[in-house]
Amino acid sequence: DSGVTQTPKHLITATGQRVTLRCSPRSGDLSVYWYQQSLDQGLQFLIQYYNGEERAKGNILERFSAQQFPDLHSELNLSSLELGDSALYFCASSALNTEAFFGQGTRLTVV
Amino acid sequence: EDQVTQSPEALRLQEGESSSLNCSYTVSGLRGLFWYRQDPGKGPEFLFTLYSAGEEKEKERLKATLTKKESFLHITAPKPEDSATYLCAVQALRYGGSQGNLIFGKGTKLSVKP
Repeated sequence: DSGVTQTPKHLITATGQRVTLRCSPRSGDLSVYWYQQSLDQGLQFLIQYYNGEERAKGNILERFSAQQFPDLHSELNLSSLELGDSALYFCASSALNTEAFFGQGTRLTVV
Repeated sequence: EDQVTQSPEALRLQEGESSSLNCSYTVSGLRGLFWYRQDPGKGPEFLFTLYSAGEEKEKERLKATLTKKESFLHITAPKPEDSATYLCAVQALRYGGSQGNLIFGKGTKLSVKP
């Protein structure tokens, strides 16, 4: 158990809908990262937060947004969903200058 | 642009047959190189961090090494339970010394047959 908790584990939704994925980092970790993993793309970096502030953005679509709350948990919001958004979404957390630990992911299926 | 390339894409070994996985990287200022293991449908599991050329880390049947351009994950006498996808990632130094995000390779899928 990495100590990073993601909910829900599975999510099935229709095209055009909006969903929210939740991540609770390891105790004491201030950095949260979101990654998308699809079969042909590997792990793609979406966005990073550090202590509530956005720190870096990767190839995150405008339909996607995230935030980190004062208690350090983070949410990834995906809207106007398309079939191609079906993937595993991972959250990772790290302390300053240490390795990142990943949650077990949320499997999103858009039908 | 920071980039990570792993080879081979897939590797099939017999139990006990040692081999190596390669990770080539280009990064503007390396803070660290990371190896993860990922089982199907699960999150990546941290294995090693390497910070400078010449560094080596070991854990059970795995040994990771680092040069200025690549890293190797050596697997000695593998067992079927070592079957997984092994991911390599680099993290760049940002201005002010803060850490950047992890940039991953596509992984090597290892299958070990009994």
